[in-house]
Amino acid sequence: NAGVTQTPKFRILKIGQSMTLQCTQDMNHNYMYWYRQDPGMGLKLIYYSVGAGITDKGEVPNGYNVSRSTTEDFPLRLELAAPSQTSVYFCASSWGTADKEKLFFGSGTQLSVL
Amino acid sequence: AQTVTQSQPEMSVQEAETVTLSCTYDTSESDYYLFWYKQPPSRQMILVIRQEAYKQQNATENRFSVNFQKAAKSFSLKISDSQLGDAAMYFCAYSGGSNYKLTFGKGTLLTVNP
Repeated sequence: NAGVTQTPKFRILKIGQSMTLQCTQDMNHNYMYWYRQDPGMGLKLIYYSVGAGITDKGEVPNGYNVSRSTTEDFPLRLELAAPSQTSVYFCASSWGTADKEKLFFGSGTQLSVL
Repeated sequence: AQTVTQSQPEMSVQEAETVTLSCTYDTSESDYYLFWYKQPPSRQMILVIRQEAYKQQNATENRFSVNFQKAAKSFSLKISDSQLGDAAMYFCAYSGGSNYKLTFGKGTLLTVNP
């Protein structure tokens, strides 16, 4: 049981480049989330999804795009990378039901934009 | 919008002693969940304890317990018999509404001194 798997673990981008952070979960969770963690700060929600085909913006969506074509996968796309996007990115998933509510986190992706 | 405030950026405790981490939150919802997550240097987010707002009894998990004061919107974490492995960043988080996304505080860095 792999849980939530994120790739890559580390990446360095040049300003203006694009990339996709991959996230997959094998727990059949309906809910998936992307968070970013800046140094000395808590996690801020970028986008989330309550099921395949449904996505919605979180607190800090600018500069990012997501898609949810399957229950398992929730990739995060960075277009035209900027230094302000240097951060640690976490993908998470959950059942989305009150009695089981708990987020399962991936191990994070350290992204630097230079 | 919901907010979560952790007023202690850093705390330290002697091994085997007890420490309390503070958290306050703001919400207009009546049904919600509160969490404490631990983030060690490995970066992994680990759920420590969770509290349902409708439960008056404070949650306990082994050496970890909470003091949940709903009227005061306070949710502190007590760590008893502190161990070196407890050293980490601790995040308080709130989840409410129908989509279960978490709002995090900025974290408290806990140091455990031998």
